[in-house]
Amino acid sequence: SQTIHQWPATLVQPVGSPLSLECTVEGTSNPNLYWYRQAAGRGLQLLFYSVGIGQISSEVPQNLSASRPQDRQFILSSKKLLLSDSGFYLCAWSDGTGNTEAFFGQGTRLTVV
Amino acid sequence: AQTVTQSQPEMSVQEAETVTLSCTYDTSESDYYLFWYKQPPSRQMILVIRQEAYKQQNATENRFSVNFQKAAKSFSLKISDSQLGDAAMYFCAYITGNQFYFGTGTSLTVIP
Repeated sequence: SQTIHQWPATLVQPVGSPLSLECTVEGTSNPNLYWYRQAAGRGLQLLFYSVGIGQISSEVPQNLSASRPQDRQFILSSKKLLLSDSGFYLCAWSDGTGNTEAFFGQGTRLTVV
Repeated sequence: AQTVTQSQPEMSVQEAETVTLSCTYDTSESDYYLFWYKQPPSRQMILVIRQEAYKQQNATENRFSVNFQKAAKSFSLKISDSQLGDAAMYFCAYITGNQFYFGTGTSLTVIP
C-alpha cells in the first residue's frame, strides 16, 4: 500500500535561518506531489506542485522554493525564513490520473521566532 | 476562475442529530471529482467521501452522504447520527487536471 512520510513534525526556527522540509512517498511511482500551507484556522493554500522529477509549478510568489530530486521525494526549502512563514505545512500526493483524491502527510508545524 | 466556497465557517450539532455542511464551486470543466476531507485536532487530513461529477447518484459512506447538484455546482455533506468524533474542520475540494482546489473549511462542533 502507499504511504507518505513528512518530517519533521514540528520545527521552531529563528528568522533568517534556512528551512528544509522533506516528504517521501512509498508504494507508487510517478506521483503528483504537492506542498500546501495552512495558516491557523484557515484553508489550504497551494504552494507548489510537481508532476515529475525536476518539474515544479509555483502558485504563490514567496521566499520558499521546492525541489523534486527523485521521483518520490519532494522538498520545501527557504534560504531565509520570515515570521510570516510560520504555519502548518502539508505534503500530499495523488496518482496523476486526475480522478483520485490527494493523500496527505502528517504535516509540519513551523514556528518562526 | 476555479473556486470553492464554504459559506459556513462554523457549525454545531447535537450528538445523534443530523447536520449538513454546504459547499459550492465554480469550474468550467465538465470532468472533475469532488471530495470532502475531515481534519481533526491532530490536523491529519482524512478523506470522508468522494463524488465523480459524471455520476448522478449521490455518494454515501456509512453515516456520510452528499447532495450533488451539478447544474447548481453544489456539493453538500450530510452527517447523520453525529458522534463526538465527528468534531473537526471539514474541507470541500475538487480536482480537475492535476490541480486540487479547496474551500476555506467549516469547523464542526458536536455537542454532547
